[in-house]
Amino acid sequence: GAVVSQHPSWVICKSGTSVKIECRSLDFQATTMFWYRQFPKQSLMLMATSNEGSKATYEQGVEKDKFLINHASLTLSTLTVTSAHPEDSSFYICSARDGVDGYTFGSGTRLTVV
Amino acid sequence: AQKVTQAQTEISVVEKEDVTLDCVYETRDTTYYLFWYKQPPSGELVFLIRRNSFDEQNEISGRYSWNFQKSTSSFNFTITASQVVDSAVYFCALSEAPYNQGGKLIFGQGTELSVKP
Repeated sequence: GAVVSQHPSWVICKSGTSVKIECRSLDFQATTMFWYRQFPKQSLMLMATSNEGSKATYEQGVEKDKFLINHASLTLSTLTVTSAHPEDSSFYICSARDGVDGYTFGSGTRLTVV
Repeated sequence: AQKVTQAQTEISVVEKEDVTLDCVYETRDTTYYLFWYKQPPSGELVFLIRRNSFDEQNEISGRYSWNFQKSTSSFNFTITASQVVDSAVYFCALSEAPYNQGGKLIFGQGTELSVKP
């Protein structure tokens, strides 16, 4: 089946630094990818929708200058958390539309900002 | 606007009991898809089922079964003879139309199921 590879699976960074998370569709082309954030004991909240070759569409309340999304190819989307702060610590997970189950999810990235 | 409600935040059962997880959705679209995902402690999402709005047939897959009722906008999930390995957070989700054009997936709040031996 369709596979989305997400890296890194976990990362610890210092406050004020930037962190990049990658999502790659391994065996299919993903025109559209989605980025979610999940705080402990909470649901997945959609942050943005990224379309290959165009600007991402951010959900209300998500700072686009802080969460930079790039979808430069049909198999790669990246989320960069700029100037990270402890409140950005969360579980970030991407998904891509596929032609089988509908949405294939990456394994997630646990970000801890210290 | 689309919305998914899972009223049960936490459920605790003893192994071999049957358990039903409730899901109620709201949408103005006539064409939509409903999903259930399992999220074990590792965090990754495990796809369980996808059902389109035109298919109200109930589905059974091993110990899992789903009851889709458009009249009550519900898509409930039942685990028969629960096992400890079923312990996880379960999410119900609704895809925004048009599904085949990159519609967003909206998640419910999740139900944490704990199955005790």
